[in-house]
Amino acid sequence: QQQVKQSPQSLIVQKGGIPIINCAYENTAFDYFPWYQQFPGKGPALLIAIRPDVSEKKEGRFTISFNKSAKQFSLHIMDSQPGDSATYFCAAKPSNDYKLSFGAGTTVTVRA
Amino acid sequence: NAGVTQTPKFQVLKTGQSMTLQCAQDMNHNSMYWYRQDPGMGLRLIYYSASEGTTDKGEVPNGYNVSRLNKREFSLRLESAAPSQTSVYFCASSVTTEPQHFGDGTRLSIL
Repeated sequence: QQQVKQSPQSLIVQKGGIPIINCAYENTAFDYFPWYQQFPGKGPALLIAIRPDVSEKKEGRFTISFNKSAKQFSLHIMDSQPGDSATYFCAAKPSNDYKLSFGAGTTVTVRA
Repeated sequence: NAGVTQTPKFQVLKTGQSMTLQCAQDMNHNSMYWYRQDPGMGLRLIYYSASEGTTDKGEVPNGYNVSRLNKREFSLRLESAAPSQTSVYFCASSVTTEPQHFGDGTRLSIL
C-alpha cells in the first residue's frame, strides 16, 4: 500500500486559478517532503521541498503548506499558466534514508 | 548539458528474454537510482547506489539486478523478463539522498 496518499487524481483550472494538490502520510519518521513535476514523455523534475520545521515554503508561483499535526501537506500553484499543465507527485521520506515514497500523482490541466 | 542519459528509449521483449537498461550521468553525482513508473502508482524505487561500488535494494527489487560500473554509470538488468515488468523505467542521480535529476525514461513492453 502507498505510504503517501495524494488527491485529487486530476483537476482542471482556468488560467490564473490556483490548483491545490493534497497529500497525507502516516509514517511519523518522514521528515522530508519534496514535490516533482512531470511533463508527458519526460522524467520527473524536483520542483520544491519542505522539512517539518516550517509550515510554508514558497518558490516563485509554487507554495507548499505543511501541517505536521495532521500529517498533511499540499502544493498550491499561484496564478497558474497553461505551461504548468503537468503531472505533479508528492513524496516523503526520513531525512537520511534513500527510500522516497511517492504519491500516485495528480494531472493538472490549466486552460487558457 | 546532457544530465542523465538513458538507453534505449523504447524496447519490446518476449517473456523470458533478458536485457540491460543503461544509465549515465555527467554531473559527478554520488547517488544514483532506478525507479519504475506504473499508472496510478507513482514511482517505486527498484535499487539505489549511494556511491561507486555500493548498491542497495529499494521497494521492488525482485526480478532485477544492478551494477554501478563507475561513478557515471548505473545499469539495470532484467534476467528473465516477465509481463509484470512492463513499465516505464527512470534513472536518477543526486548529490543528496533524494533523486534530483531524472532521465527521460525507457518504455519497456514485455509480451
